[in-house]
Amino acid sequence: DTEVTQTPKHLVMGMTNKKSLKCEQHMGHRAMYWYKQKAKKPPELMFVYSYEKLSINESVPSRFSPECPNSSLLNLHLHALQPEDSALYLCASSQRFTGTSSHEQYFGPGTRLTVT
Amino acid sequence: KQEVTQIPAALSVPEGENLVLNCSFTDSAIYNLQWFRQDPGKGLTSLLLIQSSQREQTSGRLNASLDKSSGRSTLYIAASQPGDSATYLCAVRSAGGTSYGKLTFGQGTILTVHP
Repeated sequence: DTEVTQTPKHLVMGMTNKKSLKCEQHMGHRAMYWYKQKAKKPPELMFVYSYEKLSINESVPSRFSPECPNSSLLNLHLHALQPEDSALYLCASSQRFTGTSSHEQYFGPGTRLTVT
Repeated sequence: KQEVTQIPAALSVPEGENLVLNCSFTDSAIYNLQWFRQDPGKGLTSLLLIQSSQREQTSGRLNASLDKSSGRSTLYIAASQPGDSATYLCAVRSAGGTSYGKLTFGQGTILTVHP
């Protein structure tokens, strides 16, 4: 099973709302990632978790708050977002983040977020 | 900082043609290179992974090559079909520098295969 699942598929939220995106994998991967993708652009890395610890934060605004409750789950908490944060949010996982092993990344289907 | 470039940006071909997508990267210190496919509004599907020590990988009608020293990879699609229409993304996983461990993506090639 090489599946990464994400919920919800679509989310519309106002600028004062608080919402969360969820990601799950059962491949035993110990690295999980959040990416943001705008239309007609490649994905941009936001956060990397390695062994449930935050390893990389690509200078993402604090209105995005990641959480990794266990090795299979990754959340992205959203608060006070701006309309320009509307995008496709992709979750990915790989066996490890560092080292010389395969580290093929598997992506979920994404959450289409619209901020009104 | 690693930079990845894909050429062409868009490609339109008739069904049945063989085609080549190109990817180049600036820093040869990589762990691997992945080719992905993305359908509109969907996630990324991994097509092929080439380790830095490998020269090529094949999966069905797809063949990807890697020349690490020159910073180039090609994705060859044989006997193209309308179902191959999608955006193809190349990404390299850096083994050093400020991009260490991260995937750096190219801008993608939008492929249209018409019947």
